[in-house]
This record gives sequence, structure tokens and C-alpha cells, in this order.
Amino acid sequence: RKEVEQDPGPFNVPEGATVAFNCTYSNSASQSFFWYRQDCRKEPKLLMSVYSSGNEDGRFTAQLNRASQYISLLIRDSKLSDSATYLCVVGALTSGTYKYIFGTGTRLKVLA
Amino acid sequence: GAVVSQHPSWVICKSGTSVKIECRSLDFQATTMFWYRQFPKQSLMLMATSNEGSKATYEQGVEKDKFLINHASLTLSTLTVTSAHPEDSSFYICSARTQGLRNTIYFGEGSWLTVV
Repeated sequence: RKEVEQDPGPFNVPEGATVAFNCTYSNSASQSFFWYRQDCRKEPKLLMSVYSSGNEDGRFTAQLNRASQYISLLIRDSKLSDSATYLCVVGALTSGTYKYIFGTGTRLKVLA
Repeated sequence: GAVVSQHPSWVICKSGTSVKIECRSLDFQATTMFWYRQFPKQSLMLMATSNEGSKATYEQGVEKDKFLINHASLTLSTLTVTSAHPEDSSFYICSARTQGLRNTIYFGEGSWLTVV
């Protein structure tokens, strides 16, 4: 089982739609959680951190479910500019070293 | 603006030569930096964790003698690809971790390496 798993997609949605991604992680001791956005041939950029209480930033809402070991990202009112790959990142102390493990990413295409 | 700067953005080198990539944290001190490699249409793969003032921790399968990492200061880590071969051609990205309770990682712009 992969440490961090995501549905690779692509998710093709019309403008204005609401879309949700999930990401599961295997290490129950994981401590930090993030969603990053990566555009083609660019570096990942932090979209939002994910806190236990859940957090919202404009059209984006992130949730953490520790019991089921998954995090989610909800995008409302999708824009064309939201088209990108969304990476789930999980941080955990592993063998004395704090590591960040990436999911393979979920590709989103917002269609006009 | 960028909080982590990576240089060079693009590099083409001949097979057998060595290439050095720099990663700098601009607005904060980073005791820990990470080096990743990403092949086309694949996810980022962690190569090594770079700790200031100590040896890097390499992931399984990554040759430490081929990918030399130096983290001599709190704002600079370097990755040297030694005796590069065409199969080393890839997108190399560094990231740096901020400190504090809610630490976050920021990425450099990445370096495209092409070995010919």
C-alpha cells in the first residue's frame, strides 16, 4: 500500500461546478497535512495547510479525518484557472527524520 | 514573491560532467531542506533530506556518492549530480521547511537538467 494515495483523475468538470478530492495516508502517526497545486512543468505551490478543525480559504475547503486517515479538498465554483494537478502531502516523523510524502496528484480540468 | 530560490532553472550538460544546483531560503532559516526529482507525468520522489551541519539522509535507491548534498548554512543547500548521464535528466526541486508549530514547506522553482 502506498504511503499517500490519490485518485490520479483526470477530473473533468464544467466551470462553476463543485469538485472534491480525497487523499488517504497509511501512517497513523502523521502530523502535518497539506494540499499543493502544481501546474505543468512548474514547482508545487502551497494551496493550504489542513488542520484538525478543518479550514476554508475562499472557494477552497480542506478537511482532515484522522480516524479514517484521509484528507479532502473541496473546490466550489470552479474556475478555468483551477485546472492543475493537486498534490496531497503528508508529514511524519519516520525513523528519526521528519519527512514529507507526496501523493501522485489528482489532475483537474475545468472546462468552459 | 519566492521564499525559496533555486538556481539554475535550466541546465544542459555533457554526459560525464557534474552539475551543481543551489537552493536558498530567502526569508527564513531552514534547518531542513529536501531534494526531490520528478520525471514527466510522475509524482515528486523524495531523494534526500538535507540537515544543516550534518550529513544528508538519503532515500532507499538514491546513490549518495552520485547525488552529493551539502547544507553548509541555514539558508543554502546544494545538490551536485556527479558524472551525470542521460538517465539523470529530470526536474529537480528543492524545498525548505519553516520552523515553528505549524511548519510549512516551500518549494524552489525547480531545475530542469538535461544530460546529452
